[in-house]
Formats: sequence, structure tokens, C-alpha cells
Amino acid sequence: DGGITQSPKYLFRKEGQNVTLSCEQNLNHDAMYWYRQDPGQGLRLIYYSQIVNDFQKGDIAEGYSVSREKKESFPLTVTSAQKNPTAFYLCASSIGLENEQFFGPGTRLTVL
Amino acid sequence: GDSVTQMEGPVTLSEEAFLTINCTYTATGYPSLFWYVQYPGEGLQLLLKATKADDKGSNKGFEATYRKETTSFHLEKGSVQVSDSAVYFCALRTSGTYKYIFGTGTRLKVLA
Repeated sequence: DGGITQSPKYLFRKEGQNVTLSCEQNLNHDAMYWYRQDPGQGLRLIYYSQIVNDFQKGDIAEGYSVSREKKESFPLTVTSAQKNPTAFYLCASSIGLENEQFFGPGTRLTVL
Repeated sequence: GDSVTQMEGPVTLSEEAFLTINCTYTATGYPSLFWYVQYPGEGLQLLLKATKADDKGSNKGFEATYRKETTSFHLEKGSVQVSDSAVYFCALRTSGTYKYIFGTGTRLKVLA
């Protein structure tokens, strides 16, 4: 089955530690995205990638970093510079930037 | 800028009741409109979409009509079930762009 996987489902980290969230897709999509979801708010775009080895900042990129070394993978690192990292993180992908986005199941990050 | 406004929840209904979740938008150009559903602890799933004025999207008994004159895309279902309990997000994407604008979400709770 084609789809998007995110791991782990739940992640706990101590304040000041960097943490990397995984996102893998086998849909052969060129574009991938990372969103952050906070209670009572819509999704906010962190980073997106149109193609391998290219990525762009979204609306709230500060304190985050990404890489896109393979088409299938788009990991997100939440750095210690992110002031309020506790949130639900959603990865998505699409055939191209102008196509419908499909979402993964999400990772809930809690920083203690 | 572009924006999406949804009715605040939570919405609590009895099983078999009629559902309406209001969504209005502000956008330049001609956006595509979407409803996504998020079940507890999961990512977003596309429920339905409409790409031009007067289009009706439908899926699983849910419907929404793209009304350009009122800039609305209200979600309706004639008879809700307990299994419809979830958070519903209205979203738009302006033609020619990658960016989705999400509403804040409306939580629906259906009681048996």
C-alpha cells in the first residue's frame, strides 16, 4: 500500500535537546511538507520541499531544520532554538506543489 | 491575505441529527476548497473538495457546495453517526500556488 509514514507516534524529549522526526513516503511524490498543529489552531507550514536537494522555509521555520537527500524522505529536526516545541507535527506530500496534499498520521512531540 | 473562518466548536449532536459546519473564506484569485477530517490521534484525511464555483464535493454522506457569491463552503450531512466524531478542517488553496490555508478546525461530537 502506498502512503506516508511518520515515526514515532509519540516522542518525549528534555528541554535543550535536538530531536528529529521521520517522514517517509512511497507515493513517488516530488513535493513534501511539514506542518505544526497546536490546540485550537489550524495547521501552520514549517518547511516544504519541491524536489530532492531543495527546500524552502514556510511561515514558522525558526528553530527547525530539514533535509531532502532522498525523494522518499523529508526528516524534520526540532532544535533547541525552537521556543515552544511541544506540538503535533504533520508531514504531507503531493505529486507537485500545485497538487492535492496527502497527510501522514502525525507525531506528537512533548518537550519536558 | 487569504484566510478561512470556521464556526467554533465543539458541536455536539445526537446520532441521526443533521449537521452543518460553516466555513467562509477570503481569497484573491480562484481558490480550490477542501474539507479535511482528523480522527483522534491521527493525521488529516481529505474528505471532499471543490475546485470551481458551484461545484459540489461529496463523500461518505458529507456534502459541500462552493458558493462564490457568499464565499462559503459549508459542510453538511443529513444523518450523523457516532463514528463521525472528529475534528473537521476547512482549507483553501489559491490557484497556481502550493500553499494551503487552514481554518482552526471544528470539533464534532456525536452522541449515541
